Amino acid sequence: GAVVSQHPSWVICKSGTSVKIECRSLDFQATTMFWYRQFPKQSLMLMATSNEGSKATYEQGVEKDKFLINHASLTLSTLTVTSAHPEDSSFYICSAGRLADHEQFFGPGTRLTVL
Amino acid sequence: GQNIDQPTEMTATEGAIVQINCTYQTSGFNGLFWYQQHAGEAPTFLSYNVLDGLEEKGRFSSFLSRSKGYSYLLLKELQMKDSASYLCATRKLSFGAGTTVTVRA
Repeated sequence: GAVVSQHPSWVICKSGTSVKIECRSLDFQATTMFWYRQFPKQSLMLMATSNEGSKATYEQGVEKDKFLINHASLTLSTLTVTSAHPEDSSFYICSAGRLADHEQFFGPGTRLTVL
Repeated sequence: GQNIDQPTEMTATEGAIVQINCTYQTSGFNGLFWYQQHAGEAPTFLSYNVLDGLEEKGRFSSFLSRSKGYSYLLLKELQMKDSASYLCATRKLSFGAGTTVTVRA
């Protein structure tokens, strides 16, 4: 149990386009999901906390108008990278937590390459 | 705020024991996590400590001292598949930079 999926697993896009990444909790309900970004050989950096039915909470330095987060249901959160640029190329990972325990379950990640 | 420190790299041979230290400074501590991350993959959960002491789980053990702001992950009987990055993280999901462990035959 406690599986989190992400789609797509990788995406290549042209500069200026928008890319949507989905994060789903497959067998549990997640009131809170987290979005991370990881550059090569660096740690995960928390971008934002996504709360079902309310606005996301963004970490300092993360542009909320560029990284749009929607948490429309208890099993789905989406991250849209708007007007992507090469510097947005990174590994994007989501995680979801259950109310019952402390563990965070990570999705497999989405590798974004902006040309 | 959160401030987490861990070594950048460690190398050991198969069958050996490795201890990865992690020190943290955090407001409102509520537990410490260890994750394993293989290159190009998402992190996988290893352990969670909220009370002082040692938690053993097979070949991996994790220790916590809240008064010292200190934790370690102990990897025993190292196998080649243990070559990965090991991340410590506080309950507020602030991650250390990760320790890359390389296991040599």
